[in-house]
Order: sequence, then C-alpha cells, then structure tokens
Amino acid sequence: DTEVTQTPKHLVMGMTNKKSLKCEQHMGHRAMYWYKQKAKKPPELMFVYSYEKLSINESVPSRFSPECPNSSLLNLHLHALQPEDSALYLCASSQVGRVFGNTIYFGEGSWLTVV
Amino acid sequence: AQSVTQPDIHITVSEGASLELRCNYSYGATPYLFWYVQSPGQGLQLLLKYFSGDTLVQGIKGFEAEFKRSQSSFNLRKPSVHWSDAAEYFCAVGTSNDYKLSFGAGTTVTVRA
Repeated sequence: DTEVTQTPKHLVMGMTNKKSLKCEQHMGHRAMYWYKQKAKKPPELMFVYSYEKLSINESVPSRFSPECPNSSLLNLHLHALQPEDSALYLCASSQVGRVFGNTIYFGEGSWLTVV
Repeated sequence: AQSVTQPDIHITVSEGASLELRCNYSYGATPYLFWYVQSPGQGLQLLLKYFSGDTLVQGIKGFEAEFKRSQSSFNLRKPSVHWSDAAEYFCAVGTSNDYKLSFGAGTTVTVRA
C-alpha cells in the first residue's frame, strides 16, 4: 500500500541509451530519495532532495543525474550506464524535521537491466 | 556514525510458529529505529518504528518490536507466522540530525509448511 509510485517497473537499456526513472508522492513530504539496491543487499543511498534542492549526493557517478521538478516529483536520468549498474532503484520520501524522525517510505522500485 | 547488525542471515520457521529477528545498533544518542520488510520483487514496506516512549511498539501484520537501551537491541517478533511472512527483513537506524538511514545486512525468513 505504498504511496510512493515509481515508473517504469522494469527497464532494459543499452549502454549508449538515455532513459529516466520517475517517482511521485502525494503525501506532502518535502524530502525525496533515490536508493540503489543490489540482490540480497540492503539499499544504498544515492541522493536526497530537501525542499526540491539537492541535499545529499553520495558520490554517485555523473551518469546518474537526479532532478526534482516539484515537491511531488523526482526523476533519475540515466546515460551511458554500465552493466554493473543493473539493480533495483528505489524512490522514497519523508517529512522534514526532527519531530518526525524522518520516517522514510519507499516505493515498489524500478528494476533496471543494462545490456 | 550509527550502525546496525543483524546477526542472523537466514532463519527458517514453520508456519504457525513464533519468529524473532535480532537487531543490534550502535549510536551515541537516542536512535530512531525501524523495521522494514521486502517481499520478493517488491519495495520496502515499513513494519514499525521506535522514536521514544513505550519501548514495546506494535506494527502492521501482527509484528511487534522491543527497544532495549541497555542491550542496544531492537528485536522484531511475531507470535505466529504465516507463509506470506517469507521475505527479507531489514533493521535500520536513523538520527535526528540527517536524512541517512543505516541498514543492517538483512535477514531472510523462509516459512515451511
């Protein structure tokens, strides 16, 4: 019953392609996240947007380019990816501020395969 | 920096039996603690969380967890498991200072008939 919606659910792309992953939430959250998850591993934080501004970039390669067009939307633009970038990409959102404890809610994820 | 240890990589339990998953955290101040579940091919679903107050917290799907500060633990329990509880379970710790969650390595739960 996630309220974070991700599209597409599955994506296969070549190493020279440009594609985008999209994420939407309507919970009024002002922080949005991208995580990457490999099989049998915990999610790894990639980016955090707070109030539509990039707050955290965990040294992610530039072939991944995030974008936050408004408070409800988050995109991840993909270009010149490598096969090792194949993974589940999870979008998440949370409220902002200490009183909320930053409870993070995840979407269902987008399965990316790079060929 | 905070960290989380889930000592059990894989647990097999019979349907109807009780389940307990262990989680130990390391953090100098009061932690924010979470349990998430991930069914095969799905995203992460929040089971429950602890911020403060009552150390026994109830979550969804019949799960509960107990925060024990003296043991730096936040173990997850369910009295009677269902086949649909077969999944990966992640314990995570956050802080009041930033957006980062530290996840444990996860525990895979298999339910046998």
